[in-house]
Amino acid sequence: NAGVMQNPRHLVRRRGQEARLRCSPMKGHSHVYWYRQLPEEGLKFMVYLQKENIIDESGMPKERFSAEFPKEGPSILRIQQVVRGDSAAYFCASSPDQGLAKNIQYFGAGTRLSVL
Amino acid sequence: DAKTTQPPSMDCAEGRAANLPCNHSTISGNEYVYWYRQIHSQGPQYIIHGLKNNETNEMASLIITEDRKSSTLILPHATLRDTAVYYCIVRSKGTAGANNLFFGTGTRLTVIP
Repeated sequence: NAGVMQNPRHLVRRRGQEARLRCSPMKGHSHVYWYRQLPEEGLKFMVYLQKENIIDESGMPKERFSAEFPKEGPSILRIQQVVRGDSAAYFCASSPDQGLAKNIQYFGAGTRLSVL
Repeated sequence: DAKTTQPPSMDCAEGRAANLPCNHSTISGNEYVYWYRQIHSQGPQYIIHGLKNNETNEMASLIITEDRKSSTLILPHATLRDTAVYYCIVRSKGTAGANNLFFGTGTRLTVIP
């Protein structure tokens, strides 16, 4: 069973461009979470999605950031008009619907975004 | 979710047990204690969780005090690969996937050869 897959692993963008980060949850998981980790800081929650629905986006900046988790395909975190302050590691996690592990989040390796 | 307090850093000799403490004095009855770790440049990794009984798995043991106000994560034979930041997180075990995880500053464990 493959783990949480994130791509790309590294992404370089110039200021003003768009960044699209993708996350494929583990098989059988319909809950996806996105976290951001700024350099030398801890992880900060951004958004929680369940298939086709945003459940909690309390940690997401109000502008330029959006997330989706369509019925088919990976979850996408989209950052429009990137600025240097968006440079960070973005981690995705997933959890299953049921079973003993339903409240455990499994993380991907992250996407490291560098804004020039 | 209850707040947790952890020492910022600890050292442990390779092969010895690493005991990582966590205070969660405001924990409520339906809140579980979870431990994750983040090895440098990698995604966080789930280690173990518990409610009130001590728990053990292939990675670690979790000892929770009787009043549940504190807990200790034990790595029985630390190796260099256990060097990481360890996070103690308290959260309720609600509906599937409910809520995010709050990662505080954690404890940076350094295993010394």
